[in-house]
Amino acid sequence: DAKTTQPNSMESNEEEPVHLPCNHSTISGTDYIHWYRQLPSQGPEYVIHGLTSNVNNRMASLAIAEDRKSSTLILHRATLRDAAVYYCIPLTQGGSEKLVFGKGTKLTVNP
Amino acid sequence: KAGVTQTPRYLIKTRGQQVTLSCSPISGHRSVSWYQQTPGQGLQFLFEYFSETQRNKGNFPGRFSGRQFSNSRSEMNVSTLELGDSALYLCASSWGTGASYEQYFGPGTRLTVT
Repeated sequence: DAKTTQPNSMESNEEEPVHLPCNHSTISGTDYIHWYRQLPSQGPEYVIHGLTSNVNNRMASLAIAEDRKSSTLILHRATLRDAAVYYCIPLTQGGSEKLVFGKGTKLTVNP
Repeated sequence: KAGVTQTPRYLIKTRGQQVTLSCSPISGHRSVSWYQQTPGQGLQFLFEYFSETQRNKGNFPGRFSGRQFSNSRSEMNVSTLELGDSALYLCASSWGTGASYEQYFGPGTRLTVT
């Protein structure tokens, strides 16, 4: 599985955009890039995933670099509910495809 | 659409006992995965079932087992409980199996072994 590097923590103000980076330089051509988050005392929550093109859903946007060695999760307007640990997880199609959470990025949202 | 449900939410057992945890996936989802989460080890994969067949298995002893029924509901069983089995057990469901599918997690079952 590809290794990932994420900042340990980031801070944002409410209603401002947040860009959470992830480096996955060893990613293979068939790896999907998944993002999950975990709020305190809750189970993990799916955020978004993509393969090559940028993706948007109601929660966030995912911008994938052209060489696919990095990606950025974009929360367009952070709310207090977005305070969580965010995990970037490459998954290989045809591989074990199980989720392995690294250390992730702890996002703090200030009111 | 209802989310993933897990029962019971909390459980206290004694060493040596066995326990069965239940998971009902989102309607239409055919894949169910189980994870164990502890503060020390983080999230660890137990096993995945798809259409009643175990598709993947993590690195856990044989005391941990599971099954999936024809309606996609799944159960996991832990026999001869040890103190180290105290953890949050999470179930996640997915429409299909593979890296292109997202997983939706339930709230978990908090198991305490005394």
